[in-house]
Amino acid sequence: EAQVTQNPRYLITVTGKKLTVTCSQNMNHEYMSWYRQDPGLGLRQIYYSMNVEVTDKGDVPEGYKVSRKEKRNFPLILESPSPNQTSLYFCASSLQRLAPSLTDTQYFGPGTRLTVL
Amino acid sequence: QKEVEQDPGPLSVPEGAIVSLNCTYSNSAFQYFMWYRQYSRKGPELLMYTYSSGNKEDGRFTAQVDKSSKYISLFIRDSQPSDSATYLCAMDQTGANNLFFGTGTRLTVIP
Repeated sequence: EAQVTQNPRYLITVTGKKLTVTCSQNMNHEYMSWYRQDPGLGLRQIYYSMNVEVTDKGDVPEGYKVSRKEKRNFPLILESPSPNQTSLYFCASSLQRLAPSLTDTQYFGPGTRLTVL
Repeated sequence: QKEVEQDPGPLSVPEGAIVSLNCTYSNSAFQYFMWYRQYSRKGPELLMYTYSSGNKEDGRFTAQVDKSSKYISLFIRDSQPSDSATYLCAMDQTGANNLFFGTGTRLTVIP
């Protein structure tokens, strides 16, 4: 089954304690990205990766790091979490760039609900 | 002003009704338009994808894009309780998958 998996699904932590949220896809997709979803603000892109070892900032990258050492994995790292990073996080992947004839686009993971106290 | 505006609702309709969901946007360079459906406690899933202006139909769902008005719509015919979810519009300018999302409209279809 084609899917994007995230772990953990739920996490409660304290300010300053480094954490990593893992993301893995089994569809051999080149493109992967991380979003956060907040009430009233919708989904906002944190970081994205066009391929292995290629990453770039999205709209809200401050306080986050990513790495793409393998095609299937794209972990999100919070070196020193703060309460304003309490949010619902989604990882997504897609096969290629969007194109007029493309019939498919990003697959999203199930989400990770993070609470930073 | 946000790049993409979407009425958050909530919207409640009786089963069988026609539902109209809308988004407006400010960036005239957007070319790729998507509608995602998100059930509670789940990730968004792609519902409709349209390039440039025009209509696209898939079963009970119709997506419309009016680039001259910077306005996109999703119509759901014969709505079902299983359509109860949050609907998100999303747009991309260059095709690089850097999506700009609306805040979502929460829809409830009452049996």
